[in-house]
Amino acid sequence: DTGVSQDPRHKITKRGQNVTFRCDPISEHNRLYWYRQTLGQGPEFLTYFQNEAQLEKSRLLSDRFSAERPKGSFSTLEIQRTEQGDSAMYLCASSSPLAGPSSSYNEQFFGPGTRLTVL
Amino acid sequence: DAKTTQPNSMESNEEEPVHLPCNHSTISGTDYIHWYRQLPSQGPEYVIHGLTSNVNNRMASLAIAEDRKSSTLILHRATLRDAAVYYCILRAHQTGANNLFFGTGTRLTVIP
Repeated sequence: DTGVSQDPRHKITKRGQNVTFRCDPISEHNRLYWYRQTLGQGPEFLTYFQNEAQLEKSRLLSDRFSAERPKGSFSTLEIQRTEQGDSAMYLCASSSPLAGPSSSYNEQFFGPGTRLTVL
Repeated sequence: DAKTTQPNSMESNEEEPVHLPCNHSTISGTDYIHWYRQLPSQGPEYVIHGLTSNVNNRMASLAIAEDRKSSTLILHRATLRDAAVYYCILRAHQTGANNLFFGTGTRLTVIP
């Protein structure tokens, strides 16, 4: 399978603990995105990497959240001192910009997500 | 980002066509119209996109109004596997992050 993979698929933790999620994008994709999705809502953008550079962060990404992509390949998302409100599905996506006039188009390929439950 | 409005839910009988509407009255001249769908327990997947002209691909067709203030995703023959939440998204023509702004989408139920 050459799609986007995420690990773990499910994580249950107690409030106050730290958690880390991993995303492996499609190998030739230089853009990587993290989203969060709560029940009944569409995914919300958290942050974006182009290669190893973190170029954009949403206001949703509080100080307790940190994301890295050290070698421009896989990425990790860490949440420190988890709160019950952090319970959500965390989705990773990757894309590769296409050449051509429609430069705004780069289809994002999503992974299956990591479901976090904070007790 | 320009906003889109979609019905919360729709139903369709299996093997019948489905027309999923989307209103985007504040669309700008360079916004592309994208559709993604999210099957149960999966991440979203790309369906189709367009700018001004109607578009067809193996999954669906996209009909764009002449004034671009609305569009319709057309599934020509709904199957049970098409049951999903469908998101209509506007993406600005820029070379930035192009992160997707999802709304709440339309939940499509396909009745056998």
